[in-house]
Amino acid sequence: DQQVKQNSPSLSVQEGRISILNCDYTNSMFDYFLWYKKYPAEGPTFLISISSIKDKNEDGRFTVFLNKSAKHLSLHIVPSQPGDSAVYFCAASDSGTYKYIFGTGTRLKVLA
Amino acid sequence: DVKVTQSSRYLVKRTGEKVFLECVQDMDHENMFWYRQDPGLGLRLIYFSYDVKMKEKGDIPEGYSVSREKKERFSLILESASTNQTSMYLCASSFTGTGRDGYTFGSGTRLTVV
Repeated sequence: DQQVKQNSPSLSVQEGRISILNCDYTNSMFDYFLWYKKYPAEGPTFLISISSIKDKNEDGRFTVFLNKSAKHLSLHIVPSQPGDSAVYFCAASDSGTYKYIFGTGTRLKVLA
Repeated sequence: DVKVTQSSRYLVKRTGEKVFLECVQDMDHENMFWYRQDPGLGLRLIYFSYDVKMKEKGDIPEGYSVSREKKERFSLILESASTNQTSMYLCASSFTGTGRDGYTFGSGTRLTVV
């Protein structure tokens, strides 16, 4: 049972345009969400987070939106750059647990 | 620069071998995790530890065990390696119990079992 789903395995975007990566979850107890970026042969690196008390968090070119009623979050990258080409994972946890549940990842390719 | 270091980037082992994957962190983190990454399946938690000598099973612990004798070191053990354990293994650590600071991951170990 996949509690965190990223339904798009891949996405291609032109440089300078917006990239939108989506993530759905099923567990209503999840209250904290992270996005990670992973380059080949490297470990994932933390990108941005959002708590369930917010519906938006912004950090430079990266914005995460949370729609609790739809159990959906999205990561917007504006403008997209070739260096953003990587696999992006969303992850979710509930308060009091030590562990995150990760999605299956979306491979983003930004075309120059 | 804080780090999670995995001892090997690439390993090739034979079926039936006992395999040790080592992970060391220098951030004094209480929590450490082992994940495996497979295409189409994302990151799946194998085991985690929230204190020295404490361990808990994750979602896919079968065929694996772990050891945490010191706070900075978390080892993953494949008791008898099988070909379906060919994967990318990722170690991570976090400071707070809920990981609100996010995990710090190592660079991964790509294990091939032949």
